[in-house]
Amino acid sequence: KAGVTQTPRYLIKTRGQQVTLSCSPISGHRSVSWYQQTPGQGLQFLFEYFSETQRNKGNFPGRFSGRQFSNSRSEMNVSTLELGDSALYLCASSLGQGLNTEAFFGQGTRLTVV
Amino acid sequence: AQSVTQPDIHITVSEGASLELRCNYSYGATPYLFWYVQSPGQGLQLLLKYFSGDTLVQGIKGFEAEFKRSQSSFNLRKPSVHWSDAAEYFCAVATYSGGYQKVTFGTGTKLQVIP
Repeated sequence: KAGVTQTPRYLIKTRGQQVTLSCSPISGHRSVSWYQQTPGQGLQFLFEYFSETQRNKGNFPGRFSGRQFSNSRSEMNVSTLELGDSALYLCASSLGQGLNTEAFFGQGTRLTVV
Repeated sequence: AQSVTQPDIHITVSEGASLELRCNYSYGATPYLFWYVQSPGQGLQLLLKYFSGDTLVQGIKGFEAEFKRSQSSFNLRKPSVHWSDAAEYFCAVATYSGGYQKVTFGTGTKLQVIP
């Protein structure tokens, strides 16, 4: 079956702009989590969605938001981009039925803010 | 609060040599433990996981990890490293609190394999 698909793979934006990233989970998976990966901070949890509801949120400013659609696809939006938002954004999907469900990661979207 | 420590930022081993990557966690109870591998420009791939039971866990690509409760450790091992194992390895801890799952990743260990 198809894996987790993230689009676009690469993105270059200017400071102050906003950006939307997309994640299509594995078919049948209802949980989607987003992570930010940077060389300095490592992998940091952004938020998790399950059945269109945000279940958990990390310590990121309100400029970072997300949503999940009825087909489990998820989008992440970052408004008023800052240079420090340059990162690899990873999406992971899982069945979401508890901790013993494996998370499958997409290849990520590499965002560069100039 | 839970935390994960991977004390080795970078490790270099010769091809064919054995490998051990260290991971220590901090949590009041037994968490769920994972090891992921990330190749350059790629997402994370699950190598193995521990939930309960046998403390020695076998994973893909010949990796194994041992959970030691007394040491709060979950070290990753491989008896003979291949050049294709060069990548970054992440240890992760998942816990369940207040109705929500929380996953915390370590800072990663970059593995370099020399001929």
